[in-house]
Amino acid sequence: GNSVTQMEGPVTLSEEAFLTINCTYTATGYPSLFWYVQYPGEGLQLLLKATKADDKGSNKGFEATYRKETTSFHLEKGSVQVSDSAVYFCALIQGAQKLVFGQGTRLTINP
Amino acid sequence: KAGVTQTPRYLIKTRGQQVTLSCSPISGHRSVSWYQQTPGQGLQFLFEYFSETQRNKGNFPGRFSGRQFSNSRSEMNVSTLELGDSALYLCASSLVGGADQPQHFGDGTRLSIL
Repeated sequence: GNSVTQMEGPVTLSEEAFLTINCTYTATGYPSLFWYVQYPGEGLQLLLKATKADDKGSNKGFEATYRKETTSFHLEKGSVQVSDSAVYFCALIQGAQKLVFGQGTRLTINP
Repeated sequence: KAGVTQTPRYLIKTRGQQVTLSCSPISGHRSVSWYQQTPGQGLQFLFEYFSETQRNKGNFPGRFSGRQFSNSRSEMNVSTLELGDSALYLCASSLVGGADQPQHFGDGTRLSIL
């Protein structure tokens, strides 16, 4: 079945550092890919999405490119802020309305 | 535009009881999905409703059920509660539900079983 694997957390960085959170997926065909972010005490917020190969999703300085050849959708940001501290989830959806999530990566940014 | 609204935010029950959680989707959204989030299992899909019909179902026992009303509001019911049902239950809505349509989440209902 479909699955998503994220890099193990937690990840701790200093403000203005470069961020990469790795995400790879297993699926037949061409799923749509998403990054969601969860702040403490809140639900998930859609951060960005890509629906076909080579698409680049971007939002709030975050980017991720749908790489079919490596089945990856890594999240990157050039300069992180303290306010980016949260848990990040990579997810896919294919056909049926059923998001399949990775295990989540907790990110802490220190000032 | 109001987001997805889940009520109540917090709930405490005891084993053997039953509980009903409510979700009001974004206006105009007709697909509503439910997820369970726990530290051990992460985020798992429960079911999805569209036009008052359950369209997809995850791998949860029959104690977990749901329904959707004509105004697209949805309820989830869990009967004979067990300690392991303690979790954050998240509801998400989308327009009609398609692979290219993002799901918008509510803040969840945190259910604690004593």
